[in-house]
Amino acid sequence: EPEVTQTPSHQVTQMGQEVILRCVPISNHLYFYWYRQILGQKVEFLVSFYNNEISEKSEIFDDQFSVERPDGSNFTLKIRSTKLEDSAMYFCASSTHRVRYTFGSGTRLTVV
Amino acid sequence: KNQVEQSPQSLIILEGKNCTLQCNYTVSPFSNLRWYKQDTGRGPVSLTIMTFSENTKSNGRYTATLDADTKQSSLHITASQLSDSASYICVVSHIKAAGNKLTFGGGTRVLVKP
Repeated sequence: EPEVTQTPSHQVTQMGQEVILRCVPISNHLYFYWYRQILGQKVEFLVSFYNNEISEKSEIFDDQFSVERPDGSNFTLKIRSTKLEDSAMYFCASSTHRVRYTFGSGTRLTVV
Repeated sequence: KNQVEQSPQSLIILEGKNCTLQCNYTVSPFSNLRWYKQDTGRGPVSLTIMTFSENTKSNGRYTATLDADTKQSSLHITASQLSDSASYICVVSHIKAAGNKLTFGGGTRVLVKP
């Protein structure tokens, strides 16, 4: 069964550094998403992306965050200047026809 | 405000027993309701998806129900196995112009003991 692939599985970074989380969505999917889950808390929506532009973003997704689909297969989330509170699991997801979501296994980001 | 509330927060059951998890939501406009299983440190895996017109759906030993009038759903696990130990998350999707935005509940952590 097709999978959403995320790399790296775990990233440790120093506060203030930039990080890029990478995702390869399922090839025929049209909608792409990033969610995050702070340890012990609910999964929260960050951003959705369709037709090469952001279709919706949450209040969490401030100017420190950006997304890009640089080459038609990868979908990246960049955090420009990481803060301690950015430590979380970040999940990429993709869907087709707005229904069948598939999540990746996540990237655990630890900001020290 | 769109919200999804689940109960109980956690439960312990003996292997082979059944259990039922509850979900209440206030999400509009409603598109569909999903139940996911999430193992620790892993991404959510879909168990069932139900639209407004469906009131029950099964996936093996998992059976979900939906009452769209009262905005309640349940997930019933039959003959639990040790591998059922995980968090079960109720997720409601609302219709957006592009894509479906998901609102997650806090999950019910299930521990199956031998």
